[in-house]
Amino acid sequence: KNEVEQSPQNLTAQEGEFITINCSYSVGISALHWLQQHPGGGIVSLFMLSSGKKKHGRLIATINIQEKHSSLHITASHPRDSAVYICAVRSEETSGSRLTFGEGTQLTVNP
Amino acid sequence: ETGVTQSPTHLIKTRGQQVTLRCSSQSGHNTVSWYQQALGQGPQFIFQYYREEENGRGNFPPRFSGLQFPNYSSELNVNALELDDSALYLCASSRAASGGLADTQYFGPGTRLTVL
Repeated sequence: KNEVEQSPQNLTAQEGEFITINCSYSVGISALHWLQQHPGGGIVSLFMLSSGKKKHGRLIATINIQEKHSSLHITASHPRDSAVYICAVRSEETSGSRLTFGEGTQLTVNP
Repeated sequence: ETGVTQSPTHLIKTRGQQVTLRCSSQSGHNTVSWYQQALGQGPQFIFQYYREEENGRGNFPPRFSGLQFPNYSSELNVNALELDDSALYLCASSRAASGGLADTQYFGPGTRLTVL
């Protein structure tokens, strides 16, 4: 079993829909990251969370430390949101900023 | 644009060859992490360098080695290439206080390595 599990693996939505991507992890963490990866490989960091909730534009990320679960929400989705969304955790047991990644969720938003 | 650059962008090698991939960190960052991402999978941690010293290593064989230079740029070297080494190699830079956890990681665009 992976330390970081994401669901769903693939998600197709219509423009304007509200989208939720889930991440569960099995280790104690000091931080959780949500990342966006476009075709071609470039990764952009969306959020770094250690508790509560963060919002940036149409993106909202929440984390429940007790339940070891995080969600990424996209409101009013748009075709340009189509990308792979990756959850990654920084374990509290390891030094530095080593990240353990989920497999990613492929999001496709159709016009 | 994150300010992290990698070179080359694409590379084709044959089995048994050696390869060196390069990463230039964002200004002010003293920590570099390297990741391997196979097609359709999430990145896997290879190792991390903090102030020119290895500061953690993932489950990769010794033929994967690295360096960090005084200007905090970094190299990933892979010897005796195998077909399964074909992947996207990502570096990420961050800034860590002495002995502390690093800030957000900023990823480079990656180097796509193909081993034939």
